[in-house]
Amino acid sequence: TQLLEQSPQFLSIQEGENLTVYCNSSSVFSSLQWYRQEPGEGPVLLVTVVTGGEVKKLKRLTFQFGDARKDSSLHITAAQTGDTGLYLCAGYSGGSNYKLTFGKGTLLTVNP
Amino acid sequence: ETGVTQSPTHLIKTRGQQVTLRCSSQSGHNTVSWYQQALGQGPQFIFQYYREEENGRGNFPPRFSGLQFPNYSSELNVNALELDDSALYLCASSSLGETQYFGPGTRLLVL
Repeated sequence: TQLLEQSPQFLSIQEGENLTVYCNSSSVFSSLQWYRQEPGEGPVLLVTVVTGGEVKKLKRLTFQFGDARKDSSLHITAAQTGDTGLYLCAGYSGGSNYKLTFGKGTLLTVNP
Repeated sequence: ETGVTQSPTHLIKTRGQQVTLRCSSQSGHNTVSWYQQALGQGPQFIFQYYREEENGRGNFPPRFSGLQFPNYSSELNVNALELDDSALYLCASSSLGETQYFGPGTRLLVL
């Protein structure tokens, strides 16, 4: 069974601070996706990383895929209250059904 | 806005009852995947439908079943509901093998 472990589970910071959340696995994934989910809503895709060592930037968010394609990180610079939400990583290991394996998520609260 | 819709938004059932949840996929997509998200957990894959056929299933019992229609919309049926079935049920629409776009989910409470 492939597992994705996310850390930390909870994170509460002040507006303007920087933060990093992590997504780790003992398994190799063909690609890894990061989603953000707000209460009562479905996950919204932020980014997909495919190549080992890949770094993608989305405004103040920086995503990195580990060289061995087993881990990933999300760094947020100068967090804003609108960044509050549940951040989920999900891995795709290949195969025809494109099943996503999700981590439990990191619940981020950015305080004003 | 992903264009993926789900109904109903909320539902309350009692143990032993049956429930049907519905998902309309995004235009141009032929694949629907269903996930269960318990409180405080990440989504867990239930199954996927591609062109009206089941195309992969997660570790869920047979009382979880589904359908996909010619217009690629889909239903999730759960029989003999148990308390642990209380969760947010998400459907995701995609072309096969491509990025999945999630709907807002149906919140099911089993009493």
